[in-house]
Amino acid sequence: ILNVEQSPQSLHVQEGDSTNFTCSFPSSNFYALHWYRWETAKSPEALFVMTLNGDEKKKGRISATLNTKEGYSYLYIKGSQPEDSATYLCAFDAAGNKLTFGGGTRVLVKP
Amino acid sequence: ETGVTQTPRHLVMGMTNKKSLKCEQHLGHNAMYWYKQSAKKPLELMFVYNFKEQTENNSVPSRFSPECPNSSHLFLHLHTLQPEDSALYLCASSPVQAGLAGESGELFFGEGSRLTVL
Repeated sequence: ILNVEQSPQSLHVQEGDSTNFTCSFPSSNFYALHWYRWETAKSPEALFVMTLNGDEKKKGRISATLNTKEGYSYLYIKGSQPEDSATYLCAFDAAGNKLTFGGGTRVLVKP
Repeated sequence: ETGVTQTPRHLVMGMTNKKSLKCEQHLGHNAMYWYKQSAKKPLELMFVYNFKEQTENNSVPSRFSPECPNSSHLFLHLHTLQPEDSALYLCASSPVQAGLAGESGELFFGEGSRLTVL
């Protein structure tokens, strides 16, 4: 059983503030680490697929880093906006596109 | 607009009923997945299909029966379910074939079918 942990489970952020949260995963048999954003009543949408140790990816105000040797990834939101409110899921790929998901970090941005 | 459509969005069924969930994708993908999300639990992989062939059954009870007649359609047939099977069932597709060494592609999800078993 693969252990993928996300912390914190939830966080409240004031509009305009920046925040970050963590995904930890096994450091062996690494194929890729995925990040998804899941807004309420919608479908999860991919943010990043990261494959290389030290990789950094950015999409608008959201960015992610990857450390495969120690088994963690950070997701950063810069200047949070209410539309960033969502659950952010990470998923570990150890077997070629068969993902094990973490429990998610639920982000609520307060105006 | 999602390229993956799931129907029905909500389903209530008794333990003796037989029902089916349907998933359709028009993205030209050849890999399709069923995931389950129970309350306060992570998404859990159930089944994987590559080119209509099942490549993964993640120890799912036989009361769940998947069917993939072609690369665009995926069904989950349900019979004699238990109340603990109540969950959100998500379908996904990917341009990357599952199980292919060295490949990892993003999943495209539907909005899910919310199942309640009475």
